[in-house]
Amino acid sequence: EPEVTQTPSHQVTQMGQEVILRCVPISNHLYFYWYRQILGQKVEFLVSFYNNEISEKSEIFDDQFSVERPDGSNFTLKIRSTKLEDSAMYFCASSDTGASTDTQYFGPGTRLTVL
Amino acid sequence: GQNIDQPTEMTATEGAIVQINCTYQTSGFNGLFWYQQHAGEAPTFLSYNVLDGLEEKGRFSSFLSRSKGYSYLLLKELQMKDSASYLCALSNDYKLSFGAGTTVTVRA
Repeated sequence: EPEVTQTPSHQVTQMGQEVILRCVPISNHLYFYWYRQILGQKVEFLVSFYNNEISEKSEIFDDQFSVERPDGSNFTLKIRSTKLEDSAMYFCASSDTGASTDTQYFGPGTRLTVL
Repeated sequence: GQNIDQPTEMTATEGAIVQINCTYQTSGFNGLFWYQQHAGEAPTFLSYNVLDGLEEKGRFSSFLSRSKGYSYLLLKELQMKDSASYLCALSNDYKLSFGAGTTVTVRA
């Protein structure tokens, strides 16, 4: 069964450093998403992406964040200058279409720890 | 904005039935989704409702009443592996908005 994959599974970085989190969405899916979950808190939407453009972003997704589809398979989230409060699990998701009733399938997540 | 409320925790016995409620206050949404999340893992899709009524998928069923701002997830024939968090999420405009989740503990 096709699945979303993410690398690395765990990333430790120093405050102020740049990190890139990588995702490979399900191959025939067209819409891609990033969510984050701070430990013990709810899953929060960051950004959705379609046709090489951001479709929607939350207030969390400020100028420190960017997304890119560098090739036909990868989808990345970059945090330019990490802060302590960026420590969280980051989930990538993809869906076949962008329809609100279309199921989003989540990857296993990258646990980001900022020291 | 969207305010989604779920009970924090529930405990049930193996083989029993548990109903997890989700209430929301929102100006509008397209669908209501239920996901399961084991500790440290990704949310996995369980069920969704667009129209009012009951959707059944094996041991899991989900119900929606838009007029009452209410949904529930019904888990039947509980198994130990069903111990997890269950997340209610509203879908619109290319995003999911999640509730805080309900942690279900299944006891033998």
